[in-house]
Amino acid sequence: DAGVIQSPRHEVTEMGQEVTLRCKPISGHNSLFWYRQTMMRGLELLIYFNNNVPIDDSGMPEDRFSAKMPNASFSTLKIQPSEPRDSAVYFCATSQWDYGYTFGSGTRLTVV
Amino acid sequence: DAKTTQPTSMDCAEGRAANLPCNHSTISGNEYVYWYRQIHSQGPQYIIHGLKNNETNEMASLIITEDRKSSTLILPHATLRDTAVYYCIVRAAGGTSYGKLTFGQGTILTVHP
Repeated sequence: DAGVIQSPRHEVTEMGQEVTLRCKPISGHNSLFWYRQTMMRGLELLIYFNNNVPIDDSGMPEDRFSAKMPNASFSTLKIQPSEPRDSAVYFCATSQWDYGYTFGSGTRLTVV
Repeated sequence: DAKTTQPTSMDCAEGRAANLPCNHSTISGNEYVYWYRQIHSQGPQYIIHGLKNNETNEMASLIITEDRKSSTLILPHATLRDTAVYYCIVRAAGGTSYGKLTFGQGTILTVHP
């Protein structure tokens, strides 16, 4: 089991550019979560999906952020246009029913 | 979601037991207590969870008080590699928040040689 796979590991982009973060969940896990972590705000839940359907996106900071899960094996988090305040580590986590989450290694995003 | 309160930081000597407390006085009857930890720069790692009874696995033990208003995570023989931020979380019981985990600030555990 390769665990939750996130790509890229690091991303440096210029302000105004589009950024796409990717996540491949563990096979069979039916829930997927996107978190953002910063020193100031800690770990924040942005959005989560159950069976590929978005359930709660109340944590998405603004319309510049969007997330999709077109199938059970892939999800994306897109920021367009990116801003320096979006710099953070973005984690994807997946779970199967009531069991604990498994987190990916994260994507460290720097917007300059 | 029920709110949790944890000490900001704790120290522990290597080889000794580390006891990390958590208060969750507003927990509902069907809400679980979860513990995760995050070692520097890595994604959070699941440790253990419980509802009412004490739980033990290969990593740790979880002691939940009878009134469920507090719990303690026990690392029986702490090592330097247990230095991390430990999060106590109460998981939403149902509705649109089912399965959602809300992380607080956690406890920074430092294990000393």
